Amino acid sequence: KAGVTQTPRYLIKTRGQQVTLSCSPISGHRSVSWYQQTPGQGLQFLFEYFSETQRNKGNFPGRFSGRQFSNSRSEMNVSTLELGDSALYLCASSSATDNYGYTFGSGTRLTVV
Amino acid sequence: AQSVTQLDSQVPVFEEAPVELRCNYSSSVSVYLFWYVQYPNQGLQLLLKYLSGSTLVESINGFEAEFNKSQTSFHLRKPSVHISDTAEYFCAVSGGYSSASKIIFGSGTRLSIRP
Repeated sequence: KAGVTQTPRYLIKTRGQQVTLSCSPISGHRSVSWYQQTPGQGLQFLFEYFSETQRNKGNFPGRFSGRQFSNSRSEMNVSTLELGDSALYLCASSSATDNYGYTFGSGTRLTVV
Repeated sequence: AQSVTQLDSQVPVFEEAPVELRCNYSSSVSVYLFWYVQYPNQGLQLLLKYLSGSTLVESINGFEAEFNKSQTSFHLRKPSVHISDTAEYFCAVSGGYSSASKIIFGSGTRLSIRP
Protein backbone atom coordinates (compact mmCIF):
# COMPACT_ATOMS: atom_id res chain seq x y z
CA LYS A 1 0.00 0.00 0.00
CA ALA A 2 1.11 3.56 -0.61
CA GLY A 3 2.86 5.30 2.28
CA VAL A 4 2.36 8.74 3.76
CA THR A 5 2.93 11.42 1.15
CA GLN A 6 4.06 14.91 2.08
CA THR A 7 4.27 17.77 -0.36
CA PRO A 8 6.31 19.70 -1.15
CA ARG A 9 9.58 18.11 -0.11
CA TYR A 10 11.46 21.39 0.06
CA LEU A 11 10.29 24.94 0.47
CA ILE A 12 12.01 28.29 0.83
CA LYS A 13 9.99 31.22 2.15
CA THR A 14 10.68 34.74 3.31
CA ARG A 15 10.03 36.05 6.80
CA GLY A 16 6.47 37.27 7.18
CA GLN A 17 5.04 35.03 4.48
CA GLN A 18 2.71 32.15 5.14
CA VAL A 19 3.04 28.53 4.04
CA THR A 20 0.78 25.51 3.64
CA LEU A 21 2.08 21.96 3.83
CA SER A 22 0.13 18.91 2.75
CA CYS A 23 -0.04 15.34 4.01
CA SER A 24 -1.86 12.39 2.47
CA PRO A 25 -2.10 9.51 4.95
CA ILE A 26 -2.14 5.81 4.24
CA SER A 27 -5.51 4.78 2.86
CA GLY A 28 -7.85 3.95 5.72
CA HIS A 29 -5.86 5.79 8.37
CA ARG A 30 -8.01 8.38 10.12
CA SER A 31 -5.44 9.89 12.46
CA VAL A 32 -2.86 12.36 11.20
CA SER A 33 -0.25 13.94 13.45
CA TRP A 34 2.24 16.69 12.70
CA TYR A 35 5.69 17.13 14.21
CA GLN A 36 8.38 19.78 13.90
CA GLN A 37 11.98 18.58 13.93
CA THR A 38 14.89 20.93 14.56
CA PRO A 39 18.48 20.26 15.66
CA GLY A 40 17.99 22.26 18.84
CA GLN A 41 14.53 21.18 19.97
CA GLY A 42 14.32 17.71 18.47
CA LEU A 43 10.90 16.30 17.57
CA GLN A 44 8.05 18.38 18.89
CA PHE A 45 4.39 17.52 18.59
CA LEU A 46 2.29 20.13 16.80
CA PHE A 47 -1.21 18.65 16.62
CA GLU A 48 -3.23 15.58 15.75
CA TYR A 49 -6.39 15.30 13.72
CA PHE A 50 -8.87 12.46 13.79
CA SER A 51 -11.94 12.36 11.58
CA GLU A 52 -11.61 16.06 10.73
CA THR A 53 -11.37 17.12 14.40
CA GLN A 54 -8.30 18.33 16.23
CA ARG A 55 -7.84 15.78 19.00
CA ASN A 56 -4.54 16.91 20.52
CA LYS A 57 -2.49 20.05 20.36
CA GLY A 58 1.10 20.80 21.31
CA ASN A 59 2.58 23.99 22.71
CA PHE A 60 2.98 26.04 19.58
CA PRO A 61 1.75 29.60 18.96
CA GLY A 62 -1.47 30.26 17.13
CA ARG A 63 0.47 30.97 13.92
CA PHE A 64 0.55 27.21 13.50
CA SER A 65 -2.76 25.73 12.47
CA GLY A 66 -4.05 22.69 10.68
CA ARG A 67 -7.07 20.97 9.32
CA GLN A 68 -8.17 17.60 8.05
CA PHE A 69 -10.48 16.88 5.17
CA SER A 70 -13.13 14.20 4.83
CA ASN A 71 -10.70 11.98 2.90
CA SER A 72 -8.28 12.23 5.88
CA ARG A 73 -5.78 14.36 3.97
CA SER A 74 -4.38 17.04 6.22
CA GLU A 75 -2.80 20.44 5.79
CA MET A 76 -0.86 22.57 8.19
CA ASN A 77 -0.44 26.29 7.82
CA VAL A 78 2.11 28.62 9.32
CA SER A 79 1.41 32.31 9.08
CA THR A 80 3.81 35.22 9.54
CA LEU A 81 6.86 33.02 9.19
CA GLU A 82 9.86 33.57 11.44
CA LEU A 83 13.45 32.43 10.95
CA GLY A 84 12.98 29.98 13.82
CA ASP A 85 10.27 28.17 11.90
CA SER A 86 12.92 26.66 9.65
CA ALA A 87 12.63 22.94 10.29
CA LEU A 88 11.69 19.55 8.95
CA TYR A 89 7.94 19.11 9.30
CA LEU A 90 6.86 15.51 9.59
CA CYS A 91 3.43 14.04 9.23
CA ALA A 92 2.42 10.63 10.59
CA SER A 93 -0.72 8.62 10.07
CA SER A 94 -2.07 5.79 12.16
CA SER A 95 -4.98 3.44 12.63
CA ALA A 96 -5.86 1.21 15.54
CA THR A 97 -6.68 -1.54 13.05
CA ASP A 98 -3.15 -1.33 11.65
CA ASN A 99 -1.78 -2.74 14.90
CA TYR A 100 -1.06 0.74 16.17
CA GLY A 101 1.74 1.57 13.81
CA TYR A 102 2.58 5.22 13.23
CA THR A 103 3.87 5.69 9.70
CA PHE A 104 5.77 8.84 8.89
CA GLY A 105 6.16 10.66 5.63
CA SER A 106 9.54 11.87 4.36
CA GLY A 107 8.83 15.36 5.59
CA THR A 108 8.83 18.87 4.20
CA ARG A 109 12.04 20.82 4.71
CA LEU A 110 11.04 24.46 5.27
CA THR A 111 13.70 27.14 5.14
CA VAL A 112 12.77 30.68 6.14
CA VAL A 113 15.13 33.42 4.93
CA ALA B 1 2.47 13.56 31.71
CA GLN B 2 4.84 11.34 29.80
CA SER B 3 8.49 11.88 29.00
CA VAL B 4 11.35 10.00 27.42
CA THR B 5 15.06 10.25 28.18
CA GLN B 6 17.68 8.91 25.84
CA LEU B 7 20.82 8.81 27.87
CA ASP B 8 23.34 9.01 25.05
CA SER B 9 23.27 11.62 22.29
CA GLN B 10 25.96 9.79 20.30
CA VAL B 11 27.18 6.20 20.31
CA PRO B 12 30.21 5.27 18.19
CA VAL B 13 30.88 1.56 17.71
CA PHE B 14 32.96 -0.62 15.44
CA GLU B 15 31.32 -2.73 12.78
CA GLU B 16 30.24 -6.17 14.01
CA ALA B 17 30.39 -5.02 17.64
CA PRO B 18 27.32 -5.14 19.89
CA VAL B 19 25.45 -1.98 20.76
CA GLU B 20 22.90 -0.82 23.30
CA LEU B 21 20.98 2.44 23.01
CA ARG B 22 19.43 3.40 26.31
CA CYS B 23 15.95 4.75 26.85
CA ASN B 24 14.06 5.53 30.03
CA TYR B 25 10.52 6.78 30.24
CA SER B 26 8.15 8.18 32.79
CA SER B 27 4.40 7.86 32.69
CA SER B 28 1.53 7.70 35.12
CA VAL B 29 -0.46 5.40 32.86
CA SER B 30 0.14 2.25 30.88
CA VAL B 31 2.28 2.95 27.88
CA TYR B 32 3.05 1.93 24.39
CA LEU B 33 6.77 2.15 23.59
CA PHE B 34 8.50 2.55 20.26
CA TRP B 35 11.86 2.80 18.61
CA TYR B 36 12.11 4.72 15.37
CA VAL B 37 15.08 5.09 13.04
CA GLN B 38 15.83 8.09 10.86
CA TYR B 39 18.29 7.94 7.98
CA PRO B 40 19.68 11.21 6.56
CA ASN B 41 17.13 13.37 4.76
CA GLN B 42 14.34 10.95 5.45
CA GLY B 43 11.37 10.65 7.75
CA LEU B 44 11.14 8.27 10.69
CA GLN B 45 10.67 4.55 10.23
CA LEU B 46 9.16 2.36 12.90
CA LEU B 47 11.78 -0.14 14.04
CA LEU B 48 9.82 -1.98 16.74
CA LYS B 49 7.10 -1.43 19.29
CA TYR B 50 5.85 -2.74 22.59
CA LEU B 51 2.09 -2.67 23.08
CA SER B 52 1.51 -5.56 25.49
CA GLY B 53 2.43 -9.20 26.04
CA SER B 54 6.02 -10.41 25.73
CA THR B 55 8.43 -7.83 27.09
CA LEU B 56 11.05 -8.68 24.46
CA VAL B 57 10.27 -7.36 21.01
CA GLU B 58 12.31 -7.84 17.87
CA SER B 59 12.67 -6.12 14.52
CA ILE B 60 13.28 -7.77 11.18
CA ASN B 61 16.84 -6.45 10.92
CA GLY B 62 18.25 -7.88 14.13
CA PHE B 63 17.43 -5.19 16.67
CA GLU B 64 15.57 -6.05 19.86
CA ALA B 65 14.28 -4.11 22.84
CA GLU B 66 13.11 -5.22 26.24
CA PHE B 67 10.38 -3.51 28.20
CA ASN B 68 11.34 -3.33 31.86
CA LYS B 69 8.49 -1.90 33.88
CA SER B 70 10.31 -1.83 37.21
CA GLN B 71 13.19 0.15 35.74
CA THR B 72 10.95 2.09 33.34
CA SER B 73 13.34 1.30 30.53
CA PHE B 74 13.12 0.19 26.91
CA HIS B 75 16.73 -0.21 25.78
CA LEU B 76 17.50 -1.11 22.18
CA ARG B 77 20.16 -3.73 21.45
CA LYS B 78 21.82 -5.39 18.51
CA PRO B 79 24.46 -8.12 18.89
CA SER B 80 26.40 -7.17 15.75
CA VAL B 81 26.02 -3.86 13.90
CA HIS B 82 26.61 -3.09 10.24
CA ILE B 83 27.62 0.07 8.46
CA SER B 84 24.06 0.33 7.18
CA ASP B 85 22.82 0.77 10.76
CA THR B 86 24.34 4.26 10.84
CA ALA B 87 21.38 6.51 11.60
CA GLU B 88 19.64 8.40 14.38
CA TYR B 89 17.43 6.38 16.69
CA PHE B 90 14.49 7.77 18.61
CA CYS B 91 12.73 6.19 21.55
CA ALA B 92 9.11 7.21 21.98
CA VAL B 93 6.18 6.71 24.33
CA SER B 94 2.44 7.02 23.93
CA GLY B 95 -0.47 6.55 26.26
CA GLY B 96 -2.63 4.81 23.70
CA TYR B 97 -4.52 5.22 20.46
CA SER B 98 -7.49 7.19 21.67
CA SER B 99 -7.60 10.55 23.37
CA ALA B 100 -4.00 10.62 24.57
CA SER B 101 -2.54 9.35 21.36
CA LYS B 102 0.25 11.82 20.78
CA ILE B 103 3.69 10.27 20.72
CA ILE B 104 6.42 11.85 22.82
CA PHE B 105 9.92 11.40 21.44
CA GLY B 106 13.27 11.33 23.13
CA SER B 107 16.05 13.60 21.92
CA GLY B 108 17.59 10.88 19.77
CA THR B 109 20.82 8.87 19.73
CA ARG B 110 23.13 9.13 16.77
CA LEU B 111 24.67 5.73 16.06
CA SER B 112 27.88 5.88 14.05
CA ILE B 113 29.53 2.69 12.86
CA ARG B 114 33.26 2.58 12.25
CA PRO B 115 34.71 0.02 9.83
